[in-house]
Amino acid sequence: KNQVEQSPQSLIILEGKNCTLQCNYTVSPFSNLRWYKQDTGRGPVSLTIMTFSENTKSNGRYTATLDADTKQSSLHITASQLSDSASYICVVSGRGGSYIPTFGRGTSLIVHP
Amino acid sequence: GAVVSQHPSRVICKSGTSVKIECRSLDFQATTMFWYRQFPKQSLMLMATSNEGSKATYEQGVEKDKFLINHASLTLSTLTVTSAHPEDSSFYICSAAGTGALTDTQYFGPGTRLTVL
Repeated sequence: KNQVEQSPQSLIILEGKNCTLQCNYTVSPFSNLRWYKQDTGRGPVSLTIMTFSENTKSNGRYTATLDADTKQSSLHITASQLSDSASYICVVSGRGGSYIPTFGRGTSLIVHP
Repeated sequence: GAVVSQHPSRVICKSGTSVKIECRSLDFQATTMFWYRQFPKQSLMLMATSNEGSKATYEQGVEKDKFLINHASLTLSTLTVTSAHPEDSSFYICSAAGTGALTDTQYFGPGTRLTVL
């Protein structure tokens, strides 16, 4: 069964600090992995997308890594800002079929001033 | 580019009435659209997948007669919650997958907050 596990479930950090969110998956065969940011009451917004051959991808202060051998990904947030407070969702898609992805439960990040 | 809109953003209705939610891809053609439901502090739950011009595929446990999905064009899909009850109150989000270079990513709408009294 395809699964995506995220950790931690929630995280509280001070403004300006860095943090790293983890995502482990069992989706196979693997196509791509995406990190989304979802603000409360809003739809998810794509941060990064990585395919099998990509190890790291950055989007401003967000850097995602992918280890396809161990089926692990991380999202590193540098110099956090109050606006980074949101839920971060890891989504993994398999090859073939109808693009139906497997969603992680998300990590709730709260950045305090 | 790749913007998805939803309308309305928020709706309050009485129990027993029907509510229609629209999902539009504004600047690309969406061959496949997805409808999700999200309860507070929980992850998105896929309800159904719709392809333009064909019947939607519903996930197990989702009542197709209660949640009517129509994907009549490459830019519009609608979700109608029929005979809504308080337990249907939730955040409904659609997403669209495009063609060509846009097929690898789902683009999400902003969501519709449904409250059934």
